[in-house]
Amino acid sequence: QQPVQSPQAVILREGEDAVINCSSSKALYSVHWYRQKHGEAPVFLMILLKGGEQKGHEKISASFNEKKQQSSLYLTASQLSYSGTYFCGTRRGGATNKLIFGTGTLLAVQP
Amino acid sequence: DSGVTQTPKHLITATGQRVTLRCSPRSGDLSVYWYQQSLDQGLQFLIHYYNGEERAKGNILERFSAQQFPDLHSELNLSSLELGDSALYFCASSVEGSGFSYEQYFGPGTRLTVT
Repeated sequence: QQPVQSPQAVILREGEDAVINCSSSKALYSVHWYRQKHGEAPVFLMILLKGGEQKGHEKISASFNEKKQQSSLYLTASQLSYSGTYFCGTRRGGATNKLIFGTGTLLAVQP
Repeated sequence: DSGVTQTPKHLITATGQRVTLRCSPRSGDLSVYWYQQSLDQGLQFLIHYYNGEERAKGNILERFSAQQFPDLHSELNLSSLELGDSALYFCASSVEGSGFSYEQYFGPGTRLTVT
């Protein structure tokens, strides 16, 4: 089952903050966040694991609520370079690190 | 540059044809994942190989197959192509395929257009 992301799209001015949410109906082992610019490959931002461990981008923060199977990505003091589509990818554990990606959130940062 | 390479960058072919997409993972990565991205479906997981062995399959059509070779490069074969197969195909690689969650590094993708 594909995780659901919200909002679908958001427009910001430089310096404003945004929160992107990712929700799954299945128990998760980890949540991965990626940013993709138009026509380019997704770029890794962050991994959040059960138990609270995180690994990723210095300037981006995120949370993972294991009980609710929800994750949020916090973008603060947004810059023009933050524009793109953000995807969460969920992993349920087992012998594979395959990711099931969410529906995506389009973020546009304007000057 | 993620260190993952994919060839070709663009592929235009007719319905009914067969194509092969190639992926070379980052140096040291044993896992290769294939994803399909189309406008209406988002990023869809196709298949995962770890050190030459298939580890997981997603909603991959029977007309599609993949393999990972001893040098760890992988190929995705698409046959009897249909218009709906037009999409961006990404491969990604990571250090390992199980246990701790590792980040996946995506290649630049192959854009397939079926006419």
